[in-house]
Amino acid sequence: GAGVSQTPSNKVTEKGKYVELRCDPISGHTALYWYRQSLGQGPEFLIYFQGTGAADDSGLPNDRFFAVRPEGSVSTLKIQRTERGDSAVYLCASSPGSTYNEQFFGPGTRLTVL
Amino acid sequence: DQQVKQNSPSLSVQEGRISILNCDYTNSMFDYFLWYKKYPAEGPTFLISISSIKDKNEDGRFTVFLNKSAKHLSLHIVPSQPGDSAVYFCAATRMDSSYKLIFGSGTRLLVRP
Repeated sequence: GAGVSQTPSNKVTEKGKYVELRCDPISGHTALYWYRQSLGQGPEFLIYFQGTGAADDSGLPNDRFFAVRPEGSVSTLKIQRTERGDSAVYLCASSPGSTYNEQFFGPGTRLTVL
Repeated sequence: DQQVKQNSPSLSVQEGRISILNCDYTNSMFDYFLWYKKYPAEGPTFLISISSIKDKNEDGRFTVFLNKSAKHLSLHIVPSQPGDSAVYFCAATRMDSSYKLIFGSGTRLLVRP
């Protein structure tokens, strides 16, 4: 099945390190979203791409977080100087376009910062 | 400030009976609402949605009701099946924005055989 895939599925890192999380959206989907889900909470919006550009990055918590989508397909979420509070499941979702309401989610990357 | 709230963290029902999951929101600008279902170690899966111009949408065993004046929506599952056991998230969005979803904290449904 050609669903949304995310790698790695699990990432353990030490405080202060840099991490990259990858998202492969469904082929042809122009809209891509990143969310973060902490334990016991619902997913929280981070950033939205329409094509190659970040159309809405209002959910990024601070400047340690950055995301790119250089060719309008694969996206990478980058976290610098990780902190223990960054530990969460990072979810990626895609949809056919910005006017389509249903988002298709990947399985997530569980990030643990020690 | 939580804009979407699911006040029941868990719900347990008998197989064959009705499950009712509730959701409240505070932002009157929301105009589209969705329910997602999540199994452990998987991403959320879209279940059903409703536009603010409607008050009911039905899809098989699943019905979503929207009460705009009360800023309340509910998901009804009839009849409930053991395979429905999962965490259910309510989400809201504005269609004139980036369509980013604002999620509630979820309700864990257990359907007992």
